[in-house]
Amino acid sequence: QSVLTQPPSVSAAPGQQVTISCSGSGSNIEDDYISWYQQLPGTAPKLLIYDNNKRPSGIPDRFSGSASGTSATLGITGLQTGDEADYYCGKWHGSQNVWVFGGGTKLTVL
Amino acid sequence: QVQLQQWGAGLLKPSETLSLTCAVYGGSFRDYYWSWIRQPPGKGLEWVGEITYSGRTNYNPSLKSRVTISVDTSKNQFSLKLTSVTAADTAVYYCARGVRVWTDFYYYCYMDVWGKGTTVTVSS
Repeated sequence: QSVLTQPPSVSAAPGQQVTISCSGSGSNIEDDYISWYQQLPGTAPKLLIYDNNKRPSGIPDRFSGSASGTSATLGITGLQTGDEADYYCGKWHGSQNVWVFGGGTKLTVL
Repeated sequence: QVQLQQWGAGLLKPSETLSLTCAVYGGSFRDYYWSWIRQPPGKGLEWVGEITYSGRTNYNPSLKSRVTISVDTSKNQFSLKLTSVTAADTAVYYCARGVRVWTDFYYYCYMDVWGKGTTVTVSS
């Protein structure tokens, strides 16, 4: 089963920017069409990014996604304390008909 | 605005069957893939399985022998049954709407609407 690997934690100061990586097992993660989810404490996950770099309506442009080679990246600029959350990458593995999620990254805004 | 409302028993004994239902309000039920995802305490997300309007299912191979997901199109609801539960099945269970978009060259998927979650505890 395909694996998505994320760093357990990242941190940055308010107003700064941060990136969270999601590494795949294939050679071209762009073809995995990664989605990203934000999970605030005690709440359900929320879609932030889909198809590697698209934002749903209502998601601020402070959040961005990219994918190249073996890694996808979620970028957050202008960090706010309200961005403290767990972030997950995910993909549909079409050849195995399963959804796969990364292990999650805890963002701390210092 | 699409909403997913979920419910089910929150406390089970080992060997019992977990049963949860998710109702879809405010949007199409036909055009999407309906998933269950769980999250053990302090851990990450684990996909359990999905079902379509027509009843076609896909399951996590690690749970497949114990999982059944069914759909009731007359009520816009889908349900999860997980048999022979153990403490390892203790988790928050979420239902979610899966979207699949086909372009000329590829298709991509994401989950755009989630239920609020149901905490299920397995304890003797």
